[in-house]
Amino acid sequence: KQEVTQIPAALSVPEGENLVLNCSFTDSAIYNLQWFRQDPGKGLTSLLLIQSSQREQTSGRLNASLDKSSGRSTLYIAASQPGDSATYLCAVPTLTGANNLFFGTGTRLTVIP
Amino acid sequence: GAVVSQHPSRVICKSGTSVKIECRSLDFQATTMFWYRQFPKQSLMLMATSNEGSKATYEQGVEKDKFLINHASLTLSTLTVTSAHPEDSSFYICSAKMGGGNQPQHFGDGTRLSIL
Repeated sequence: KQEVTQIPAALSVPEGENLVLNCSFTDSAIYNLQWFRQDPGKGLTSLLLIQSSQREQTSGRLNASLDKSSGRSTLYIAASQPGDSATYLCAVPTLTGANNLFFGTGTRLTVIP
Repeated sequence: GAVVSQHPSRVICKSGTSVKIECRSLDFQATTMFWYRQFPKQSLMLMATSNEGSKATYEQGVEKDKFLINHASLTLSTLTVTSAHPEDSSFYICSAKMGGGNQPQHFGDGTRLSIL
């Protein structure tokens, strides 16, 4: 069974810093990997989706990389802002059945003004 | 595009009440919908998968008689928590996708259920 782990569990940085969030998964046979943002008490906002054939995806200040063979992905946030404070989740779909998502444990990010 | 609407966003009710949560795909036909549960400071855990017109598939440990799922059309799935108790208090989120494996899931905004 796929297991998804995120390190660190929590991170506090001063505004303006660049930062990296890590995601690892045990089964490298994946279709894609997705990064989400979740604000407290809210649903999920999809940030980036990387297909298994891709190495990275960029959207604004966000850059996500994928190394399928080693079972790792990183989310790089440049020039962090207080509005980036949220929990960041990575997720991978199962290859069988309905392709539901396995979610990581999340990284709670706090950007200090 | 690809908007999923979940209603209600918050429910507070007494123990023993049954609560229905709706999940609608507004601008696409969802062949599959998923229901997840999230306890405080934990990640999302899949409860069940539903395909339009067929019975839902429940994950191990999820009581199908407790959490009734109906997926009557390609744009609507409902989750009914029957005879809810305080331990059912949680954040419930649905997602919907069209097509198979490579297609992304689109998430609703979630429902905060609090049972007194």
